Amino acid sequence: ETGVTQSPTHLIKTRGQQVTLRCSSQSGHNTVSWYQQALGQGPQFIFQYYREEENGRGNFPPRFSGLQFPNYSSELNVNALELDDSALYLCASSSSLATNYGYTFGSGTRLTVV
Amino acid sequence: KNEVEQSPQNLTAQEGEFITINCSYSVGISALHWLQQHPGGGIVSLFMLSSGKKKHGRLIATINIQEKHSSLHITASHPRDSAVYICAVEAGSQGNLIFGKGTKLSVKP
Repeated sequence: ETGVTQSPTHLIKTRGQQVTLRCSSQSGHNTVSWYQQALGQGPQFIFQYYREEENGRGNFPPRFSGLQFPNYSSELNVNALELDDSALYLCASSSSLATNYGYTFGSGTRLTVV
Repeated sequence: KNEVEQSPQNLTAQEGEFITINCSYSVGISALHWLQQHPGGGIVSLFMLSSGKKKHGRLIATINIQEKHSSLHITASHPRDSAVYICAVEAGSQGNLIFGKGTKLSVKP
C-alpha cells in the first residue's frame, strides 16, 4: 500500500508566475483534497476532487484550479502568483466521500513566492 | 471566532509528564480527527473519532459530542512526541476538514 506523494517538495517562484503542484493518492483512494497552510496557521481547505470532478471548494479565488486524473492523482494549479500564496500546500486522499473514513496526507510542497 | 479552537497554543513538558491538549468546536460534526505534524510539514493521522474514546499506545483521544469538546492525552511523554498536534473536524457534506491552528508540544529530556 503506497502513501500519498507530493511533488515537488520545495519550489520558489516569482510573483505573477504560474505553478503546478502534483499529488499521487494512496492506492484505493478516489478522493483528493488540497489544503493551504500559512506559517503558524492550521491548513485551509482549497478544494476537493472525487472521481475527476470538483466536489467542493473553499474560499479561494478562481486562479486556484485543479484536476484529478483517472488514476486519482491530482494537480493544483495557481495562476498569477501573489506573495501571500507562499505557504505549505498539503494534499490528502481518502477512500470515500462519506464521512468517517480516514485521510492520508502527503508531506506537502513548500511554495515560496518572491 | 474560529470554528475549531485548540488550547494551549504552546506546551512545554518534561519527559515523563502526562499531557493534555484540548479542542473545542462550534459546528455540528460527523467526525473529529487528531493529527500530528512534524517540522518538515508532513501530517500523520492519529485518531478519527465520532464518539467515546480511542487508545493507541501512549495516546488517548476522547470526545464529548454534547459539549463539542475533545481531548488528546499523552501518557509518559517522550522527546520524540515533540510536534504540532492539530485537531480537525468534518463538518460538511463534502467531507473536507476544518482545522484548528495546532498545539506546539515540546518535551524536554
